[in-house]
Amino acid sequence: QSVLTQPPSVSAAPGHSVTISCSGGTSDIGDNYVSWYQLLPGTAPKLLIYETSQRPSGVPDRFSASKSGTSATLHIAGLQTGDEADYFCGTWDSNVYAGRMFGGGTKLTVL
Amino acid sequence: QLQLQESGPGLVKPSGTLSLTCSVSGGSVVSYKWWTWVRQSPAQGLEWIGEVYQTGSTIYHNSFKSRVAMSFDESNNSFSLELHSVTAADTAVYYCARHRGSNAFDLWGPGTAVIVSS
Repeated sequence: QSVLTQPPSVSAAPGHSVTISCSGGTSDIGDNYVSWYQLLPGTAPKLLIYETSQRPSGVPDRFSASKSGTSATLHIAGLQTGDEADYFCGTWDSNVYAGRMFGGGTKLTVL
Repeated sequence: QLQLQESGPGLVKPSGTLSLTCSVSGGSVVSYKWWTWVRQSPAQGLEWIGEVYQTGSTIYHNSFKSRVAMSFDESNNSFSLELHSVTAADTAVYYCARHRGSNAFDLWGPGTAVIVSS
């Protein structure tokens, strides 16, 4: 189902920054809002970003996101060991009825 | 504080029906518009299955459309998922979630693991 492409894994040291990319097409990322989710093992997924760059209440400003054309990016600054998790992007394909979709996910390792 | 909790059998036989319920606590299920089911498997990552609306109408991903049904139970403050004719490929962790709009899911249950096996 994943037509949004994310790198399988990224890694960085504590205190450093990392970016996670999400690549799509003109009818999905290029045409719609993007959301980002954090999945920690054994816990409920958490919405980090909605409407491409908006943070819900309670999400630290270390997490930021943007979009350019058909690609979106999640940026995490000041990495903490607790940030080690899987991250997924999500959007909608305007050309498909019922076209909500997610990226394949990126495993973040904080070294 | 609104919370979601999935429940249902953790083991389903091939060709059988997977039935899950999402119980809503701390608020009314009719107070929000869209309720969603998503699953996660190692092979497929996160997959959006579909949504049930406050009105009871539904929308399903094409991949599941022929064998899925979602419903809304105001009396039990819950909504449910049925997935028919399951195979091993349906083995996954199933999540219920609230769709806040703008294609973002802002509240999730902890997930429930379902294994399809004889």
